[in-house]
Amino acid sequence: DTEVTQTPKHLVMGMTNKKSLKCEQHMGHRAMYWYKQKAKKPPELMFVYSYEKLSINESVPSRFSPECPNSSLLNLHLHALQPEDSALYLCASSQRGSGANVLTFGAGSRLTVL
Amino acid sequence: DQQVKQNSPSLSVQEGRISILNCDYTNSMFDYFLWYKKYPAEGPTFLISISSIKDKNEDGRFTVFLNKSAKHLSLHIVPSQPGDSAVYFCAARDENTGNQFYFGTGTSLTVIP
Repeated sequence: DTEVTQTPKHLVMGMTNKKSLKCEQHMGHRAMYWYKQKAKKPPELMFVYSYEKLSINESVPSRFSPECPNSSLLNLHLHALQPEDSALYLCASSQRGSGANVLTFGAGSRLTVL
Repeated sequence: DQQVKQNSPSLSVQEGRISILNCDYTNSMFDYFLWYKKYPAEGPTFLISISSIKDKNEDGRFTVFLNKSAKHLSLHIVPSQPGDSAVYFCAARDENTGNQFYFGTGTSLTVIP
């Protein structure tokens, strides 16, 4: 299995809703990432989990709350989002450690905040 | 502060010819470079990579060249095919963190049949 699976593919939510994005990988990767991508922009790093512990938080607002229940799963909990948070949210994983290190991305979850 | 830059937002190439996509970086601590291809509404797909200890890596139609002194890398696609039409992102890894990848702004390649 060489895939990163993200659900849902599309999500529309109001500013008062609470929703979650989910990500799963079974490649034995020990680092997992959330990126946010807006149209015609590069992916922007939000969070990195390494061995199920949060290792990088790129000053993301608290309305985004990551969770790593185990080495295969990564969630992004969403609450009280703003319309400007509408974007493609990409999950990725990689092997931990030095040496060849490739990010494998999921297909993304397209989020629209009304 | 954009540490990885792709100065050409778009490129059009005739089918069968060479496509050259360029990328510049500023951080001398980057030790590993990758190229990703992205179709609309999909996640980026890994294409090819190069370690900072090498200056060239080839995989089929794709070759990446690294010029460390100029902090410049390029992706060559030969021959270009219509299916290569996509947005290409250059990415670099900071060896200090190991897990921090920085992406360029992307170049949209159109291969004209």
